[in-house]
Amino acid sequence: GAVVSQHPSRVICKSGTSVKIECRSLDFQATTMFWYRQFPKQSLMLMATSNEGSKATYEQGVEKDKFLINHASLTLSTLTVTSAHPEDSSFYICSARDQGRGLGNTIYFGEGSWLTVV
Amino acid sequence: GEDVEQSLFLSVREGDSSVINCTYTDSSSTYLYWYKQEPGAGLQLLTYIFSNMDMKQDQRLTVLLNKKDKHLSLRIADTQTGDSAIYFCAESKWNTGNQFYFGTGTSLTVIP
Repeated sequence: GAVVSQHPSRVICKSGTSVKIECRSLDFQATTMFWYRQFPKQSLMLMATSNEGSKATYEQGVEKDKFLINHASLTLSTLTVTSAHPEDSSFYICSARDQGRGLGNTIYFGEGSWLTVV
Repeated sequence: GEDVEQSLFLSVREGDSSVINCTYTDSSSTYLYWYKQEPGAGLQLLTYIFSNMDMKQDQRLTVLLNKKDKHLSLRIADTQTGDSAIYFCAESKWNTGNQFYFGTGTSLTVIP
């Protein structure tokens, strides 16, 4: 079946540095990908919608200059957390829409990436 | 906006049935999903139901949808210790590009 892969699955970075998380659709093309963030013991909140070949659409309250999203190809979207701080430590997960399938089970989630900023 | 709510905790004994409940506010939801998240892991799709269905059964899992009351439930029969995890319900509408709205998650603890 369709698979969405995220890399890295876990990353530790120093405060002030930037870290990039990749989201790949492995056997389908995805013009739209979504990035979510999950704070400890809380639900997943949509951060932004990543559109291939155009600018991402950010949810209210999400800083676009801090969370840079690039969707340069139909199989890859990247999220870069710039100048990371400890409060950015979180679980980041992407999803990709397989537009070639019917409605319903067309969204696939990556395995998620655990970011710890020290 | 969309509001999806769940109770935070549920404890059951091994072998019993678990019922996890979810309520949502958006009556135009097209699909409703149940995801499982084990500690330190990503999301695993368990099952989904289209909004014009009342029930869906898949092995030990039974999903019930009461569209009038905007209530969704997940029943796990013969609950095992491996079922201990956080369960999220989520809803989406096809005309929003499948943007998901997640519930708060229910932490299920199975007692041996």
